[in-house]
Amino acid sequence: QQPVQSPQAVILREGEDAVINCSSSKALYSVHWYRQKHGEAPVFLMILLKGGEQKGHEKISASFNEKKQQSSLYLTASQLSYSGTYFCGTPGEGAQKLVFGQGTRLTINP
Amino acid sequence: NAGVTQTPKFRILKIGQSMTLQCTQDMNHNYMYWYRQDPGMGLKLIYYSVGAGITDKGEVPNGYNVSRSTTEDFPLRLELAAPSQTSVYFCASSPRGGANTGELFFGEGSRLTVL
Repeated sequence: QQPVQSPQAVILREGEDAVINCSSSKALYSVHWYRQKHGEAPVFLMILLKGGEQKGHEKISASFNEKKQQSSLYLTASQLSYSGTYFCGTPGEGAQKLVFGQGTRLTINP
Repeated sequence: NAGVTQTPKFRILKIGQSMTLQCTQDMNHNYMYWYRQDPGMGLKLIYYSVGAGITDKGEVPNGYNVSRSTTEDFPLRLELAAPSQTSVYFCASSPRGGANTGELFFGEGSRLTVL
C-alpha cells in the first residue's frame, strides 16, 4: 500500500520554508525521499533507516517518526533550484519493493 | 559511468502492437524495478526483480511481462498495447532491497505513446 503525501502542492517565494509530510497505514522500516524536475528522472535525496533518525542534504532535512508511521521533509530558506515534485518511498508489502507516494509539487517563485 | 540505460527514449505504438523496453545497468545491482508515471502523477511499480531469474509483480502488472536472465538486463515487454499504457516508463536499480533498500538509481525514462 502506497504512502500518502501532504500537501499535494506548495507555492513559495524564494527564501520561505516548507514541510512535506509522508505517512503510512503500515509499519515503516525506512523512508526514501526523491526530487523530480519536470521531464527528468527522480533523483535521490536521502534515506532514513531508523525511527527518530534525521538527515540533511544542503538546506533540506528530514525526520522519521516510526511510532507515528510518518516522515517529514523540511526545506529551509528555499531556493529556485528546489522547485520540482518530491516523492517519498517506502518498502511495500513483503518489504522487497519500494512504493512511492503520489508526490508533492513544489513551486518556488522569485 | 553509464549507470542505468533505457532504450528507446521515445516510441509511438499502434493499438494492439507489442514492444520491449530495454533496461541495462552496469553497477552489479541485484535489485531492479520498472515504474510507470502518467502525466502529473506519481510512480507506480509494475514489476521488480531481486536477482537474476527472480521477478515479481508490483502494483500495476497487468498488460506487462518481464524477465531477468542476467544481473545487468531487465527488459519490460508490452503485449497488445492499449491507450491506457501511454506513459513514461522508468527503470531503476538498487544495491540492496527489503527493509534496508538502498538508493534507487533511475534511468532517463522511456516515453511511450499508444494511438
